[in-house]
Amino acid sequence: NAGVTQTPKFQVLKTGQSMTLQCAQDMNHEYMSWYRQDPGMGLRLIHYSVGAGITDQGEVPNGYNVSRSTTEDFPLRLLSAAPSQTSVYFCASSYSSASNYEQYFGPGTRLTVT
Amino acid sequence: AQSVAQPEDQVNVAEGNPLTVKCTYSVSGNPYLFWYVQYPNRGLQFLLKYITGDNLVKGSYGFEAEFNKSQTSFHLKKPSALVSDSALYFCAVRDLYNFNKFYFGSGTKLNVKP
Repeated sequence: NAGVTQTPKFQVLKTGQSMTLQCAQDMNHEYMSWYRQDPGMGLRLIHYSVGAGITDQGEVPNGYNVSRSTTEDFPLRLLSAAPSQTSVYFCASSYSSASNYEQYFGPGTRLTVT
Repeated sequence: AQSVAQPEDQVNVAEGNPLTVKCTYSVSGNPYLFWYVQYPNRGLQFLLKYITGDNLVKGSYGFEAEFNKSQTSFHLKKPSALVSDSALYFCAVRDLYNFNKFYFGSGTKLNVKP
C-alpha cells in the first residue's frame, strides 16, 4: 500500500491565484481530513469527510473548499490564495468515522503565497 | 471548548536517560487522547491513544503515556531515550461533541543528545 499520498510536495503561488492540493489513500478509509501546520500553533483542522459525498468544516475552513467524489480522493481547493495561507498542509485518513482509530498522515505539501 | 496544551516548546535529554514530554488537556467529559510524532520533512505518525481503561498506555517504539484525571494530564514517557527519538511530538484530543474533530497541541521538539 502507498498509504496517504499528497501532490505537489512544494508550491509557490501569487496572491489571488487558485490551486488544488491533491490527496489520495489506498486503504479504503472512510474518514479523511485536511490540516494546516503553522509554527507554534500545531495542526489545525480545515475540513473533513466521513465518506464519499459527505464533507464538513473544521476549525479553520475559510478560504478553502473540498469535495469527496470517491472514497480514495479528497482534494483541497484554494480559491484565491492569500499570504496568510502560507503553511504546510497535511492530509490524513482513518479507518472509520468512529474516532478512536488512529489517523494516517501524508507527507505534506509546503505552500508559499507571495 | 476542548483543547490540549504542551507547555514546553523543547525538551533536551541525554541518550539513555528517561524522557517526559508533557501534555495537559481541557475537556469537560471523558477525553480521548492521542500522541503523534513527526520526523523532519515527514507526516505525523501515531504513537498511542487513551480511550478508557488502564491509565498507563503503551505504544510504539517503547513509548508510554500516563493518563492522570486529577491533574488533567497525559504525559508521554520513555524509560531510556535514543538519539533517533529526536523529533516533534504532538498531543491531540478528540472533540467531545463532534467525534470527527480533533485538536492538536502546538508541539514539543525533543532533542536527544549522544
